[in-house]
Amino acid sequence: QVQLQESGPGLVKPSETLSLTCTVSGDSINGHYWGWIRLPPGKGLEWIGYIHYTGQTNYNPSLKSRVTFSVDTSKDQFSLELTSVTAADTAVYYCARVSRLLNLLNIPNYYYHAMDVWGQGTTVTVSS
Amino acid sequence: DIVVTQSPLSLPVTPGESASISCRSSQSLLHSNGYTYLDWYLQKPGQSPQLLIYMGSNRASGVPDRFSGSGSGTDFTLTINRVEAEDVGVYYCMQSLQSRSFGGGTKVEIK
Repeated sequence: QVQLQESGPGLVKPSETLSLTCTVSGDSINGHYWGWIRLPPGKGLEWIGYIHYTGQTNYNPSLKSRVTFSVDTSKDQFSLELTSVTAADTAVYYCARVSRLLNLLNIPNYYYHAMDVWGQGTTVTVSS
Repeated sequence: DIVVTQSPLSLPVTPGESASISCRSSQSLLHSNGYTYLDWYLQKPGQSPQLLIYMGSNRASGVPDRFSGSGSGTDFTLTINRVEAEDVGVYYCMQSLQSRSFGGGTKVEIK
């Protein structure tokens, strides 16, 4: 059974850097894309981005200037760093596996992807 | 950027009846490969989001067949037939044609 677990500080000061790690168990980080999503209080889900196990990334344009993803295949972990945080970055942060669900047009390595396994989420509050 | 809009914001439902949620995108979600890049997720109270529907109408593994997705282009619908108490939560549609963006969510609750 695949499980994802987010970890990191629950409280970050304004202007500092938010750092989170997602540990994957029951599956290898190799071969997949891995995503980050957040849920601000009283709002809807916001996609932050995803990283391939090779290191290829795709970020939400609205956060791109402040966010960096990394992956450690030896530990089956991937991480998120968000710089210059403000209260608006307060949220529950989720990591998720972005899986290949359907091969498209019978073309090798051409798949439709969606987030089919999610972590339980971790609450991060930005406050002094 | 593609903007995704859901309606209604809140949807009270009676167990056993049907419910429908609308999702509209600012641009067509039909890819040049002929597939539709639209997914539905459900976040039940106290739980993480879960994938319900992908590519507009394909049920994810383990999702009951009372959930169905339909639509094309810019207009999509999630239908829940014979609503059960366990179906309460916030439903989100998400486009993955250009980057990714979620709709604002629809809260389904039992009357």
